[in-house]
Amino acid sequence: EAQVTQNPRYLITVTGKKLTVTCSQNMNHEYMSWYRQDPGLGLRQIYYSMNVEVTDKGDVPEGYKVSRKEKRNFPLILESPSPNQTSLYFCASRVGHNYGYTFGSGTRLTVV
Amino acid sequence: AQSVTQLDSQVPVFEEAPVELRCNYSSSVSVYLFWYVQYPNQGLQLLLKYLSGSTLVESINGFEAEFNKSQTSFHLRKPSVHISDTAEYFCAVTEGYGQNFVFGPGTRLSVLP
Repeated sequence: EAQVTQNPRYLITVTGKKLTVTCSQNMNHEYMSWYRQDPGLGLRQIYYSMNVEVTDKGDVPEGYKVSRKEKRNFPLILESPSPNQTSLYFCASRVGHNYGYTFGSGTRLTVV
Repeated sequence: AQSVTQLDSQVPVFEEAPVELRCNYSSSVSVYLFWYVQYPNQGLQLLLKYLSGSTLVESINGFEAEFNKSQTSFHLRKPSVHISDTAEYFCAVTEGYGQNFVFGPGTRLSVLP
């Protein structure tokens, strides 16, 4: 089944403890992206990648890192999480620039 | 940079009534436009998209959207809604290669019996 898989689904962590949210797609898509969803703000793009080793900042990149060493994987790294990064995170992929994104099921992160 | 406005944060409507969810975008170049739906506790699903050609696009579950370049709008409509259409709807825009894919803030559609 074609899908975007992100893990974990739920995560509670403490301020400052580094964490990684994994994302993998099995559709051989070129583009991948991370979004955060907050009430009243919709989805805001954190980082996106157009291909292996090609990444760029979205609208809210501060406090996040990404890497794209392989086409299928696009992990999101929070080096030192803070409470304002408590949010619902979505990974997504798409085959090309004029196609829509396919989304993962989301990761609900709570930073205390 | 492109941006998306969804004027209505919440739209309550009775079952079998028509509905229109509004979306306006800001861009200085040609764009690709999308509507996504998010059911409670789920991820986003692509509902329909406008890439080029006919300005009226349809989804398989009765929704349609019309691209209006002069008004920079891409409103979503359905002539008769069902309880199962209750969800949050997001409009999105991209200017194409190498560009951000930007979402609006969303409209929560509540279909009442």
